Amino acid sequence: DAGITQSPRYKITETGRQVTLMCHQTWSHSYMFWYRQDLGHGLRLIYYSAAADITDKGEVPDGYVVSRSKTENFPLTLESATRSQTSVYFCASRPGSNTGELFFGEGSRLTVL
Amino acid sequence: QQQVKQSPQSLIVQKGGIPIINCAYENTAFDYFPWYQQFPGKGPALLIAIRPDVSEKKEGRFTISFNKSAKQFSLHIMDSQPGDSATYFCAASSSASKIIFGSGTRLSIRP
Repeated sequence: DAGITQSPRYKITETGRQVTLMCHQTWSHSYMFWYRQDLGHGLRLIYYSAAADITDKGEVPDGYVVSRSKTENFPLTLESATRSQTSVYFCASRPGSNTGELFFGEGSRLTVL
Repeated sequence: QQQVKQSPQSLIVQKGGIPIINCAYENTAFDYFPWYQQFPGKGPALLIAIRPDVSEKKEGRFTISFNKSAKQFSLHIMDSQPGDSATYFCAASSSASKIIFGSGTRLSIRP
């Protein structure tokens, strides 16, 4: 089915471990985004990408790494997970520029012990 | 710096009532104001959006009211139903800036 899929949906890890969250979209949208959702903070942008091989920082990029070698994939890596990175992570995509509808995945719930 | 302030954080309304969620923004360059709806365990989905050249937009039971001079906009849900229970996010963006979300409102419609 067409759409945006995230994996894993749930992940428990320990402090200091490396974790990668995957995001795949089938629409060939140019823009892809990673958000984290925490109670009281809403959705905060971690990183975004305007096209393959083009990425840029959002509001809260520290501790995260992204890459985009293919248009359809946008993985998010926590190089050394910390408890403060316990959150629900959402990947999103959009075909055009800064206005217009964002299409979200169903989220990846990450717990760092 | 929080550029989009949303209130209230949570809201309980009886079925048939009209919940109102408010947002205020700071950046006068913003020219696109969407609202997203999120059900538990799901990603947010676009509900309705407005541009500042109009003061109101209706889609079904959902209405956005926009006050450009006050830099405020709000979501009204007419004849609210238990199925409207969800978290609602306002947002703002422009062609020159990334979309910024409010902190969210958890809405509960009591039967």
